[in-house]
Amino acid sequence: GENVEQHPSTLSVQEGDSAVIKCTYSDSASNYFPWYKQELGKGPQLIIDIRSNVGEKKDQRIAVTLNKTAKHFSLHITETQPEDSAVYFCADNQAGTALIFGKGTTLSVSS
Amino acid sequence: NAGVTQTPKFRVLKTGQSMTLLCAQDMNHEYMYWYRQDPGMGLRLIHYSVGEGTTAKGEVPDGYNVSRLKKQNFLLGLESAAPSQTSVYFCASSYVGGTGETQYFGPGTRLLVL
Repeated sequence: GENVEQHPSTLSVQEGDSAVIKCTYSDSASNYFPWYKQELGKGPQLIIDIRSNVGEKKDQRIAVTLNKTAKHFSLHITETQPEDSAVYFCADNQAGTALIFGKGTTLSVSS
Repeated sequence: NAGVTQTPKFRVLKTGQSMTLLCAQDMNHEYMYWYRQDPGMGLRLIHYSVGEGTTAKGEVPDGYNVSRLKKQNFLLGLESAAPSQTSVYFCASSYVGGTGETQYFGPGTRLLVL
């Protein structure tokens, strides 16, 4: 099946800086794009999602933007904190029933 | 609510042995999923179920079987384990399918096949 391209694979930032992770999808029928955060030794947890009928969604320090024309969506984290350090996964619902995940981005926030 | 639980947390198998991983959810979710996570490969869907008594193949189904005899349980079986099946296995559930509802993940099962 089609996959979701996620970049970068690793990202290191200083505390207080912003972090941006980008994903590209291929299926025009995809209409739901969630982002999951996985802390060490735990299962992934949804942090924010966006549907294809909106271009941007915010929740405190995190935001997601969607560009349907270019078929990419991005996660933005502002004022990063050490507890933001984790692996982040994007996904889309191109399969119709199940989500297809990107390969993940390891974010490290140093204080 | 316990959410999604997985049993066991860790297991070591020898090549050729069989085992069953158990996933249980207490949220009355219709959909359940099994993923495997390998370094640099992200989460890959093995099998999923859209309701009691149903199963369907995901991206990487070979070497695995599943059963959903009860709505709250989803079992993943390895009939003859291979070293390539060394991985961390995650179960997830959702109220409806991947078209827009949150998937809730369990804590994972780490499997080592020697």
